[in-house]
Amino acid sequence: QVQLVQSGAEVKKPGASVKVSCKASGYTFTSYGISWVRQAPGQGLEWMGWISAYNGNTNYAQKLQGRVTMTTDTSTSTAYMELRSLRSDDTAVYYCAREEFSAVDYWGQGTLVTVSS
Amino acid sequence: DIQMTQSPSTLSASVGDRVTITCRASQSISSWLAWYQQKPGKAPKLLIYKASSLESGVPSRFSGSGSGTEFTLTISSLQPDDFATYYCQQYNSYPRTFGPGTKVDIK
Repeated sequence: QVQLVQSGAEVKKPGASVKVSCKASGYTFTSYGISWVRQAPGQGLEWMGWISAYNGNTNYAQKLQGRVTMTTDTSTSTAYMELRSLRSDDTAVYYCAREEFSAVDYWGQGTLVTVSS
Repeated sequence: DIQMTQSPSTLSASVGDRVTITCRASQSISSWLAWYQQKPGKAPKLLIYKASSLESGVPSRFSGSGSGTEFTLTISSLQPDDFATYYCQQYNSYPRTFGPGTKVDIK
């Protein structure tokens, strides 16, 4: 069965960076892209970007351009999302999700990133 | 960017009620719309894709309709497990955008 398993919760100070991993199993990793979506406490869903696991092409949300980098490691079927220059309003649950020019059909369990001094 | 709106933002209903949630796009997205259900502390779950296609394993009481800029999600007979927040999302173009959500709670 398709599974996306994310790395554990992180606590970071303002200005630091965080890198969240998402290990995929149960399907051919390079046949689908990975989207990243975040959800601040008590808020809605915010799309952050997408990466093709086939060729590494990316598409990032404008507001995060320059601070976010999404990568994949096809040898381990793992996707990564790095966010730099963290601010308090980056505190959120970060989700990876499977998508290939379609609706997101499988989601990771989420990773809580807390940014606090 | 395509803006998505949903109405209502909160909906109070009883078990057995027929429930309808509306989602509107700021420009035409054809049928490239999905509906997700999210429960507290859980990841969203795909219910409907391509505006009206039911995801495998999703109960048939859920249905979607619409095209262009106006879409609806209908729950034909609300069950206790359906109290949750529902989001629409367009995947016609990048950036993907979500509606603000509709919380369905117990009347």
